[in-house]
Amino acid sequence: EVKLVESGGGLVEPGGSLRLSCAASNFMFGSFRMNWVRQAPGKGLQWVSTISSGSENVYYADSVKGRFTISRDNPEKSLYLQMNRLTAEDTGVYYCVRTVGTKGSEFDFWGQGTPVTVSS
Amino acid sequence: QSVLTQPPSVSAAPGQRVTISCTGSRSNIGAGYDVHWYQQVPGTAPKLLIYGNRHRPSGVPDRFSASKSDISASLAITGLQAEDEADYYCQSYDVGLTESVVFGGGTKLIVL
Repeated sequence: EVKLVESGGGLVEPGGSLRLSCAASNFMFGSFRMNWVRQAPGKGLQWVSTISSGSENVYYADSVKGRFTISRDNPEKSLYLQMNRLTAEDTGVYYCVRTVGTKGSEFDFWGQGTPVTVSS
Repeated sequence: QSVLTQPPSVSAAPGQRVTISCTGSRSNIGAGYDVHWYQQVPGTAPKLLIYGNRHRPSGVPDRFSASKSDISASLAITGLQAEDEADYYCQSYDVGLTESVVFGGGTKLIVL
């Protein structure tokens, strides 16, 4: 069974940084586009970032562009999200998500999420 | 304000049929991009329910169906069960000012 396990979330002060990790298992990680999707408390889902299978292409939501950096290590089957200059609006649960195909494709497997709280 | 519009909530009794709409525009659903649906039980991660407008992943009961037309899509659930009470989200791709994955705001299904 496909498994995605996020880690690295926690409490951070406004303006601070955090690095999220996602450990993938039981599928050919290097063959899939990967994503981060977040959910603010009591709110809906918001796409954050996408990285192509070989890291050639990366995409970001306007709200995080210039502050967040997505990366991956295919031999280690890991996905990362470096988050800088965090604000209260970045608070939420961050999900590591697999995409089946190219842009517009569905998110077929989700991790359990890691919570991020930005507060002083 | 979500790019895809869903009703905040819908409700129906067990055994009944309920539909959830998802309205977009010419820059997403109307541009030919697929619509996908997710079910999220409170406190858990979202789960893929429908992909490619109308296809069910393995394990999803055929009580769940979906369709797409013009700039809208809809999810239908028949034979409603208590376990169906959850939040439902539609998702597509938008090529407006900037290209991005877009979600609906979510619809809370209440089983009366």
